[in-house]
Amino acid sequence: QVQLQESGPGLVKPSETLSLTCTVSGGSISSYYWSWIRQPPGKGLEWIGYIYYSGSTNYNPSLKSRVTISVDTSKNQFSLKLSSVTAADTAVYYCARRHKLYWAESYYYYMDVWGKGTTVTVSS
Amino acid sequence: DIQMTQSPSSLSASVGDRVTITCRASQSISSYLNWYQQKPGKAPKLLIYAASSLQSGVPSRFSGSGSGTDFTLTISSLQPEDFATYYCQQSYSSPITFGQGTRLEIK
Repeated sequence: QVQLQESGPGLVKPSETLSLTCTVSGGSISSYYWSWIRQPPGKGLEWIGYIYYSGSTNYNPSLKSRVTISVDTSKNQFSLKLSSVTAADTAVYYCARRHKLYWAESYYYYMDVWGKGTTVTVSS
Repeated sequence: DIQMTQSPSSLSASVGDRVTITCRASQSISSYLNWYQQKPGKAPKLLIYAASSLQSGVPSRFSGSGSGTDFTLTISSLQPEDFATYYCQQSYSSPITFGQGTRLEIK
C-alpha cells in the first residue's frame, strides 16, 4: 500500500525559501502525478501544484512565480520549493498522489493517497 | 478560476440522521467533482470521485450525486466517526479548487 511522508524544516524565516520533500513508499513514483496542497491554520485547502513523474508540472497561478516542484525518480521522492515566504505561507503542507482514471470515455483525476502533513511556520 | 461554494458552512446533526451537503461550481464542471473528509489534525481522505463513485473502503452510507454546477454529498445515517469537515474539489480545469468546507458537528 502506497504511503507518503512529508519532511523538511518546520520553521522558515521570512523572505527565505521553504523546502519540503515527499517520500513515496510501498509503490513506484512512476506513472502518476504528484501534488502539493496546503492548509493555513483554521482555513481551507489550497492546491499548490503537481508534477508528473516525467517532470512536467502545473502550478497554481496565485503561487506560480514562487513555486518549483521537482521529482527524483531514483529516490522515489518529489519536492516543493516556495521562495520569498511570508507569514501568509504558514500552513500545514500535504503531499498527495493525483490518480488518473479513464472511465466512460473521459479522464478523471482525484487525490487518493495523502501524506500526514507537515506544519511549516514562517517567522523570524 | 472556478469557484466552489459549499452550503451550509456548518451543520449540527445527530447520530442516525440523514445529512446532505451541497457544492455549487461557478461554471459547469460536468462530473469532475470529488469529495473529501477531514478530521482534526488529520489529512483529507477521499470519499467520492467523479461526482458519484465511491472510493474503495468508504462505507456505503456515503453517496454523491450531481453534474454540471450542482452536486450533493449525502450521508444516509450518521455515525459518530462521521463528524468532520467535508470539502468538495473540482478537477475540471486548472487551477484545482476546493470548496470552503462544511463542518459537521454533533447536535
